[in-house]
Amino acid sequence: SQQGEEDPQALSIQEGENATMNCSYKTSINNLQWYRQNSGRGLVHLILIRSNEREKHSGRLRVTLDTSKKSSSLLITASRAADTASYFCATDAGDNAGNMLTFGGGTRLMVKP
Amino acid sequence: KAGVTQTPRYLIKTRGQQVTLSCSPISGHRSVSWYQQTPGQGLQFLFEYFSETQRNKGNFPGRFSGRQFSNSRSEMNVSTLELGDSALYLCASSWSAGSGNTIYFGEGSWLTVV
Repeated sequence: SQQGEEDPQALSIQEGENATMNCSYKTSINNLQWYRQNSGRGLVHLILIRSNEREKHSGRLRVTLDTSKKSSSLLITASRAADTASYFCATDAGDNAGNMLTFGGGTRLMVKP
Repeated sequence: KAGVTQTPRYLIKTRGQQVTLSCSPISGHRSVSWYQQTPGQGLQFLFEYFSETQRNKGNFPGRFSGRQFSNSRSEMNVSTLELGDSALYLCASSWSAGSGNTIYFGEGSWLTVV
């Protein structure tokens, strides 16, 4: 079963605009990771944020984590057509969970040129 | 350095048959995990191996099995295939089995059961 939901399920924006995707989860976590998936392809790792971190940046990506609300957001600034993909958040619950990730349902992002 | 490599990329099987999928992790990575992705259920964890031992298993029937070899390469097997097993099967690897490792995925194996 999935850990939580991503919001929105689909997002369509123009090139140059910012895209914000939200992820909610249900149980306590150790870490949260964001992935991108182009149609029919594998998952590309974007960023990992630990439960004791509140914000992390990587290039045009900004991830926030609010453990009190059990939610995270991914912001892509100055979007490009190449950012068109599905974006997933994934959580892990602790050392015993190892690399057992629980995924959200994903947000389908379309960036129009 | 090469990423996670999965073979075959595409395959078609008939109901009742069995299938074996292969995964070579990133060099130096010792943890391998498998996921199933379907439009209806999304991405679901199948199992994880570290040092040839299964560490965690998802909620899948016993028809789904896996193993890991001493060189960290892994295989998963699905026996008595059902139509609902049609999915993208993704393999992932990481350096260790502890929490907090960046987990890298392969391109996946597309399985169609007819």
